[in-house]
Amino acid sequence: AQTVTQSQPEMSVQEAETVTLSCTYDTSESDYYLFWYKQPPSRQMILVIRQEAYKQQNATENRFSVNFQKAAKSFSLKISDSQLGDAAMYFCAYSGGSNYKLTFGKGTLLTVNP
Amino acid sequence: NAGVTQTPKFRILKIGQSMTLQCAQDMNHNYMYWYRQDPGMGLKLIYYSVGAGITDKGEVPNGYNVSRSTTEYFPLRLELAAPSQTSVYFCASSYSQNRETQYFGPGTRLLVL
Repeated sequence: AQTVTQSQPEMSVQEAETVTLSCTYDTSESDYYLFWYKQPPSRQMILVIRQEAYKQQNATENRFSVNFQKAAKSFSLKISDSQLGDAAMYFCAYSGGSNYKLTFGKGTLLTVNP
Repeated sequence: NAGVTQTPKFRILKIGQSMTLQCAQDMNHNYMYWYRQDPGMGLKLIYYSVGAGITDKGEVPNGYNVSRSTTEYFPLRLELAAPSQTSVYFCASSYSQNRETQYFGPGTRLLVL
């Protein structure tokens, strides 16, 4: 069974600084997708970034980028120039094989200090 | 487009009562999902549907039922509510299978007392 592990329950960063959130996963599939979702206090789940496992190039979306290490099964999220609006719970998620579901980690609560 | 909508936003149920959580999407997505999120945890899949008339169980289906008569709607039915069903429920949809991004509704917070 696929598992997703986020080892940092909480992280904090100063406004305008950079922070990296960690995620590791376990799978026997060769074709899969990885996602980072953001959940602000409103509870809405918002897609931040996605990575296809077959792509070697790391995905980037504005201030958000990932470090995808396929052999190590690691998928970290880097947030540059952190803003107060980035404060939220961040979930790493996996989808692969014939499985339709997303498998989520337990989340990392990010605090941004002014 | 409204995206994925859910009603109600919040509900209190007594033990043994039943209710239906509503979910609708206007993106013509074939795939729809129901997740629950317990405090301090990620989301877990309850049921999913790959098209009208086709549904299947996820990780935690016990105590729930679903139906999908149209592409747009995917209601989740709770029969005989129990305190263990206190959670936040999210509906999601995607155009096709696992490679596609899932879009989430705003969630329904359910409290069973």
